[in-house]
Amino acid sequence: AQSVAQPEDQVNVAEGNPLTVKCTYSVSGNPYLFWYVQYPNRGLQFLLKYITGDNLVKGSYGFEAEFNKSQTSFHLKKPSALVSDSALYFCAVRSFFYGNNRLAFGKGNQVVVIP
Amino acid sequence: GAGVSQSPRYKVAKRGQDVALRCDPISGHVSLFWYQQALGQGPEFLTYFQNEAQLDKSGLPSDRFFAERPEGSVSTLKIQRTQQEDSAVYLCASSPDRDYNSPLHFGNGTRLTVT
Repeated sequence: AQSVAQPEDQVNVAEGNPLTVKCTYSVSGNPYLFWYVQYPNRGLQFLLKYITGDNLVKGSYGFEAEFNKSQTSFHLKKPSALVSDSALYFCAVRSFFYGNNRLAFGKGNQVVVIP
Repeated sequence: GAGVSQSPRYKVAKRGQDVALRCDPISGHVSLFWYQQALGQGPEFLTYFQNEAQLDKSGLPSDRFFAERPEGSVSTLKIQRTQQEDSAVYLCASSPDRDYNSPLHFGNGTRLTVT
C-alpha cells in the first residue's frame, strides 16, 4: 500500500531563515505527491503537488517542493520563513497502481517559526 | 466561492449513542472523501464516493460506521453505538473530478468526543 513518512515531529526555525520539511514516500507505480497545511481547528489546505515533469514544483505562499525519485523524497521548502507559516504540514501520496483514489497522509510535522 | 461545509462543528456523545455527521461538498464536485484524524496524527482514509456510488469503503473501521451520498451531493457519515475510540476529528473532502492528480478541498471537520 502507498505510505508516507515524515520523520520529524517538530521543525523549529527562526523567522527569515530557510524552512525545510522532510517527506519520503513508498508506492508502487508513479507517485502523485501533495503537500497540505493545517492551521488550528481548521481543515487541510492544499499547497502544491507533483504529478510529472519538472522535479521542482512551486506552490502557494512561496512554498516549493523538490521531487527526488532515487531517494523517494518530496521535501517542502521555503527560502525565508514567516511567523505566519507556523502550522501543521502534511505530505500525501496517491498511486494509480492500487486502483483506488485514496490519498495516504503522513503523520504531519509541526512547524514553529520563531520571531 | 463556498467551500466544503461540515456540521456540526463539535459533537459530544455518550458512549452507545448514534451520531450523524454531515458534509456539503463544493457544488458540482464529483468525488467525496471521508477521513478520520486522531489527535496528533495524520488523516486516515475512511471511504470514497464518486457521485452517489460508494466505490471504496475499505477504511471504515467497523460495521458501526456507515456513509451515504444518495443524490451525489450531500453526504452523511453515521456512527452507531459510539465508543470512546471513535473520538476524533472527522474530515470531509471533495474534488471536482475523479482524476488522481486533483487536490482535495477539505472542510473544517467535525470534532467528535465520546464520553
